Amino acid sequence: AQSVAQPEDQVNVAEGNPLTVKCTYSVSGNPYLFWYVQYPNRGLQFLLKYITGDNLVKGSYGFEAEFNKSQTSFHLKKPSALVSDSALYFCAVRFQTGANNLFFGTGTRLTVIP
Amino acid sequence: EPEVTQTPSHQVTQMGQEVILRCVPISNHLYFYWYRQILGQKVEFLVSFYNNEISEKSEIFDDQFSVERPDGSNFTLKIRSTKLEDSAMYFCASKSVAWVEKLFFGSGTQLSVL
Repeated sequence: AQSVAQPEDQVNVAEGNPLTVKCTYSVSGNPYLFWYVQYPNRGLQFLLKYITGDNLVKGSYGFEAEFNKSQTSFHLKKPSALVSDSALYFCAVRFQTGANNLFFGTGTRLTVIP
Repeated sequence: EPEVTQTPSHQVTQMGQEVILRCVPISNHLYFYWYRQILGQKVEFLVSFYNNEISEKSEIFDDQFSVERPDGSNFTLKIRSTKLEDSAMYFCASKSVAWVEKLFFGSGTQLSVL
């Protein structure tokens, strides 16, 4: 079955430390992969995407993600976490070209501790 | 940055009642979506809309649901006879053109069915 998974409900990291939020997918064919972030009382905001090309993609607010086809992963990373990065992060995938809808993971709450 | 606007932010209704959730997408966008998130679960695709008709819908989007773009600016989701299990956060989203892989989301309407 095609799916996207975020294995961690909660990630805590100290301010200034690197952070990783994990995402894995299961799909036939080549996926389009995305990360969205949700701040309190706000809608989901686009962070970055992988369509094709370099496996390391850079996005907003200093975030980056690495597409790893052999491990079917698309982990979100940032070298140095800020307290303002605390939010809910969603991994999403579009499974087929021509289909417009995104499938989201369950979300990971990131807390950056001062 | 332009925003997708959703009203109301909270809606409480009795089971069996009809509700209409309203969204104002970004003005030059052509593709419109509704997603929902039941508390603690993943964000789920409901329906996509383009050129005044539904382009895709999920299994969740049964005969009780309908969408409409009544006046060229609003995009509404109607639930004809609400059920307890319809309680969720409903997100509207839009994007400008097909090949742009970035959705803009509203901040959501929290629907509570009693």
